[in-house]
Amino acid sequence: NAGVMQNPRHLVRRRGQEARLRCSPMKGHSHVYWYRQLPEEGLKFMVYLQKENIIDESGMPKERFSAEFPKEGPSILRIQQVVRGDSAAYFCASSPSTSTDTQYFGPGTRLTVL
Amino acid sequence: DAKTTQPTSMDCAEGRAANLPCNHSTISGNEYVYWYRQIHSQGPQYIIHGLKNNETNEMASLIITEDRKSSTLILPHATLRDTAVYYCIVPRGEEAGNMLTFGGGTRLMVKP
Repeated sequence: NAGVMQNPRHLVRRRGQEARLRCSPMKGHSHVYWYRQLPEEGLKFMVYLQKENIIDESGMPKERFSAEFPKEGPSILRIQQVVRGDSAAYFCASSPSTSTDTQYFGPGTRLTVL
Repeated sequence: DAKTTQPTSMDCAEGRAANLPCNHSTISGNEYVYWYRQIHSQGPQYIIHGLKNNETNEMASLIITEDRKSSTLILPHATLRDTAVYYCIVPRGEEAGNMLTFGGGTRLMVKP
């Protein structure tokens, strides 16, 4: 059973460009979480999604950031008009059908904004 | 959500047991204690979780005190590859989406 997949693993963008980060949950998992880790800091929750629904986006910046988890395909975290402060590691986690189950993390996408 | 308190750092000799403590005095009766670790800059790795009974798996053992206000993660024979930041987490619960709040964790250094 493959683990949580994230791609790309490394992404370099210039200021003002768009960044798209993809997360494929473990097989059979329908809950996806996105976390961000700024340099030298701990992970911070961003958004929690189920298929076709955003359940909680309380940790996501109000502007430029959006997330989706379509019926088919991976979950996407989209950052528009990136700024240098968006440089961070973005981790996705997934859990099975109930939200109280254990979350398993992917390897992360390291975003560098030049 | 229950707050956890962990020592900032610990050292352990290779081959010895590593005992990592965690205080969670405000934990409620139906909240679990989870342990994750992050090796260098990799994705957090799930280790173990428990409610009130002691738990053991292939990676570690979890000892939870009877009043549930603290717990200890035990790595029975630490190796250099166990050097990592270890996080003790009490998730916010199903009504809050069970998201994880990562504190500072304990930086475990396993030394030869």
